[in-house]
Amino acid sequence: KQEVTQIPAALSVPEGENLVLNCSFTDSAIYNLQWFRQDPGKGLTSLLLIQSSQREQTSGRLNASLDKSSGRSTLYIAASQPGDSATYLCAVPSGNTPLVFGKGTRLSVIA
Amino acid sequence: GAVVSQHPSRVICKSGTSVKIECRSLDFQATTMFWYRQFPKQSLMLMATSNEGSKATYEQGVEKDKFLINHASLTLSTLTVTSAHPEDSSFYICSASTAGVETQYFGPGTRLLVL
Repeated sequence: KQEVTQIPAALSVPEGENLVLNCSFTDSAIYNLQWFRQDPGKGLTSLLLIQSSQREQTSGRLNASLDKSSGRSTLYIAASQPGDSATYLCAVPSGNTPLVFGKGTRLSVIA
Repeated sequence: GAVVSQHPSRVICKSGTSVKIECRSLDFQATTMFWYRQFPKQSLMLMATSNEGSKATYEQGVEKDKFLINHASLTLSTLTVTSAHPEDSSFYICSASTAGVETQYFGPGTRLLVL
């Protein structure tokens, strides 16, 4: 059974800092991995989707990497801004389950 | 494009009553819709997958007679929580995808509080 773990559970940084969020998964037989953003009491916004054949994806200040063999992915956020404050979720498909989510990392960027 | 809406956004009900939550794909045809539940500080957990015109497939541990799912059209799925109890209080999120596309588009969620 696929399990997704995200570290740290919460993170608070001053504005402008670069930061890394970590995601690990137990079953490396995945065909993609997604990072989502969730604002308090809101739904999910897809940030990046990395196919298993890719090693990284970039969108603006966000860069996600995938090391399938070691079961790890990182989300790098450059020059963080207060508007980046949210919970970031990592998710992978598993068997018949389209997406298995981690518990997320709650990010606070302090102005 | 690819907008999914949910209604209501928040609902408070008495224990024992039933609550219906709607999930709509506004600008695309959703052949498959998914229902998730999220407890505070927990992961989103998939409850069920529904394909238009067929019965929903429920995840292990999810009572199909308690959580009724109807996907009668390509743009609408409903989740009815029957005889709701306080332990059903949670954040319910739907998502939708279209045939041949792996991306799921998520709704804004519905906060259910059962008193």
